[in-house]
Amino acid sequence: AQTVTQSQPEMSVQEAETVTLSCTYDTSENNYYLFWYKQPPSRQMILVIRQEAYKQQNATENRFSVNFQKAAKSFSLKISDSQLGDTAMYFCAFMRGASGTYKYIFGTGTRLKVLA
Amino acid sequence: DARVTQTPRHKVTEMGQEVTMRCQPILGHNTVFWYRQTMMQGLELLAYFRNRAPLDDSGMPKDRFSAEMPDATLATLKIQPSEPRDSAVYFCASGPQGLDTDTQYFGPGTRLTVL
Repeated sequence: AQTVTQSQPEMSVQEAETVTLSCTYDTSENNYYLFWYKQPPSRQMILVIRQEAYKQQNATENRFSVNFQKAAKSFSLKISDSQLGDTAMYFCAFMRGASGTYKYIFGTGTRLKVLA
Repeated sequence: DARVTQTPRHKVTEMGQEVTMRCQPILGHNTVFWYRQTMMQGLELLAYFRNRAPLDDSGMPKDRFSAEMPDATLATLKIQPSEPRDSAVYFCASGPQGLDTDTQYFGPGTRLTVL
């Protein structure tokens, strides 16, 4: 069975600084997808970034980038130039790539606080 | 800007009452998911549908929960009878067909409080 582990329950970062959130996962699959979702105090779950396991290039979305290490089964999220609006819970999620399988497995989340 | 919508946003009810939560997936999306979020359990997948057919509802307590998709624009999650332990935020998410079928887009959630 697949598992997703986020070992940092809480983190804080100064505004404009860079922070990295860690995520590790366990799977025997070769084809899968990884995601980072953000949940601000409004509770809305917002997709931050998506990575396909067969792509070696790390995904990037503006200030958000990932460090995807397939062999190590690691998928960390780097937030550059942190902004107050980045304060939120961040969830890492895994999905198998098998056809017809759409189930996400979520980590327990990391609460990030950006300090002014 | 297409979004998943959920109603109601907040619901307070008494134990034993029936609760119905509604979700309108993004137009054209063919997968719909129901999640429950609590502090203790985190995000749990309750059920999901593809092309309106239930694919997996193994995460859902069968005796009191039911999920349906009467049509492509409406998904419902019903709890009858409700219990205090059902208090949680319930999210609906939908996923598109095509190249990014793996991506799920979440609604704003329904915060349910059962007294």
